[in-house]
Amino acid sequence: ETGVTQTPRHLVMGMTNKKSLKCEQHLGHNAMYWYKQSAKKPLELMFVYSLEERVENNSVPSRFSPECPNSSHLFLHLHTLQPEDSALYLCASSQDWGLGETQYFGPGTRLLVL
Amino acid sequence: RKEVEQDPGPFNVPEGATVAFNCTYSNSASQSFFWYRQDCRKEPKLLMSVYSSGNEDGRFTAQLNRASQYISLLIRDSKLSDSATYLCVVTDKLIFGTGTRLQVFP
Repeated sequence: ETGVTQTPRHLVMGMTNKKSLKCEQHLGHNAMYWYKQSAKKPLELMFVYSLEERVENNSVPSRFSPECPNSSHLFLHLHTLQPEDSALYLCASSQDWGLGETQYFGPGTRLLVL
Repeated sequence: RKEVEQDPGPFNVPEGATVAFNCTYSNSASQSFFWYRQDCRKEPKLLMSVYSSGNEDGRFTAQLNRASQYISLLIRDSKLSDSATYLCVVTDKLIFGTGTRLQVFP
């Protein structure tokens, strides 16, 4: 086990729904990340939090809203998503935010938007 | 040109074979590179980091060629359990390649 958990593991939602993805890391890390992985595309970095402050926001649509209440928890709030948002959403953590940090990934939430 | 490019494969090799993957990057100022392994329907896991001087871990060797702007991963004596997708990442900006799929057959 990597020490990074994500819930739910699978989620089906309609375009008008609001849902949240949860990530928790038990590694004592200071940085947490959200990635999107679509079929036949590379992992896309969405957000980075370091010491509970957002340090990266890679032009992600506002229908995705991250929240980091403490260094162990990270949420991704979803509302009015589109079918093209269907993907695997991966959370990761690393000791610190910086060059060369090893990232530890959670198992992901597989999201289907109908 | 994509910032990080990998041949998606699949590379189909018999057990015991030696196989190598390359990953090219566009930013000559990039300094830090890793290889991750991702099994089907699982999360990526760190395989090894890539140093200028090369890095060897058992059957795996990672190398960096700054002049030609690519990193490589060499797997010797392939095992069935090596079947996976291998992702390269430029950690300066956390840019991942699409991955190279390896299938080792008996």
